[in-house]
Amino acid sequence: GAVVSQHPSRVICKSGTSVKIECRSLDFQATTMFWYRQFPKQSLMLMATSNEGSKATYEQGVEKDKFLINHASLTLSTLTVTSAHPEDSSFYICSAMTGGAGGYTFGSGTRLTVV
Amino acid sequence: GNSVTQMEGPVTLSEEAFLTINCTYTATGYPSLFWYVQYPGEGLQLLLKATKADDKGSNKGFEATYRKETTSFHLEKGSVQVSDSAVYFCALSTDATGKLIFGQGTTLQVKP
Repeated sequence: GAVVSQHPSRVICKSGTSVKIECRSLDFQATTMFWYRQFPKQSLMLMATSNEGSKATYEQGVEKDKFLINHASLTLSTLTVTSAHPEDSSFYICSAMTGGAGGYTFGSGTRLTVV
Repeated sequence: GNSVTQMEGPVTLSEEAFLTINCTYTATGYPSLFWYVQYPGEGLQLLLKATKADDKGSNKGFEATYRKETTSFHLEKGSVQVSDSAVYFCALSTDATGKLIFGQGTTLQVKP
């Protein structure tokens, strides 16, 4: 079945630095990927929709200059958290559409801790 | 707007007990409905789905029926196992953009 590989699974960084999270579709082409953020014991909040070859569409309230999304190929989307601060610490999850009704595959998530 | 509401957790059950996790939704049009499961420290896995009214999704002993008249998609399992302990999310999708709207999640704890 369709697999989405997300790396790194965990990352700890210092305040002010930038962190890049990668999401790869391993055996299919993903023209559309989604980036979610999950706070502890809470639901997933959609941050942005990433479309291959075009600019990402950000949800209301999400800072596009802070959360840079690049979808340069049909198999790779990246989320870069720029100038990270402790409040950016969270669990970030990507997903890709695999076609058909309900065709979504999720990455395994990235636990970001900013110290 | 579109939204999903789940029963609050945590839900704590003994092994082999019957499970129900309620989910209701508000949506325009005819959404597709999903249940996802998240094990500790992992991403989400699709558990089951239904794309039209009266459809029943089922997988690994879990079932949910798309009830348009009550705008519900309750998750059930006849006999839970310790390995079912996880967070369960109800979700819907209404348009071609593919956006999923999630409920707040329900934590299930199954004790031996």
